[in-house]
Amino acid sequence: NAGVMQNPRHLVRRRGQEARLRCSPMKGHSHVYWYRQLPEEGLKFMVYLQKENIIDESGMPKERFSAEFPKEGPSILRIQQVVRGDSAAYFCASSPEGGGVVQYFGPGTRLTVT
Amino acid sequence: DQQVKQNSPSLSVQEGRISILNCDYTNSMFDYFLWYKKYPAEGPTFLISISSIKDKNEDGRFTVFLNKSAKHLSLHIVPSQPGDSAVYFCAATTQGGSEKLVFGKGMKLTVNP
Repeated sequence: NAGVMQNPRHLVRRRGQEARLRCSPMKGHSHVYWYRQLPEEGLKFMVYLQKENIIDESGMPKERFSAEFPKEGPSILRIQQVVRGDSAAYFCASSPEGGGVVQYFGPGTRLTVT
Repeated sequence: DQQVKQNSPSLSVQEGRISILNCDYTNSMFDYFLWYKKYPAEGPTFLISISSIKDKNEDGRFTVFLNKSAKHLSLHIVPSQPGDSAVYFCAATTQGGSEKLVFGKGMKLTVNP
């Protein structure tokens, strides 16, 4: 009974490079959420997706960030032209279709921008 | 603006005693509240939740109390165990919307043997 899977667990990028973070939701879950945690902060909502649809992207920075959840395969959070301020832990969560508000989190991807 | 506040960054208690973690919120539209526990280098783990139609929910050693008029909730852990040592996050959401969770900054609980 696999939980939410995220990879890579650690990612190091130089300024200006692209970062791609992957998330596979729990089996049977069709809702995916991305959150970002800066040092000494709580988790901040970024985007909520269902298969092939972005439902709420109110927490996403307007530039350089994008997310998708294709019909097949994992959800992808993409950060173009990374800057030092993008260094953070990125968590993915999933919930089942019509299954209530509890979200189940993956182990996170720690992005370091050098 | 911090809509969910955990004003104490840390708490230290003795094993076997009660741990009380507090959380305040400002948005009266929130109608569902959750507590998550997080160990270092891991993702948050769901602990317990409460709907705004209740004022108490209990699950084993964990009880959450909700005071809607004060916009305050608390998590009680009794008896506390060393394995409970972790960072605890309070989160709130509005059912029927996008159900995004709004988190507090977290509180580090240390349970001493």
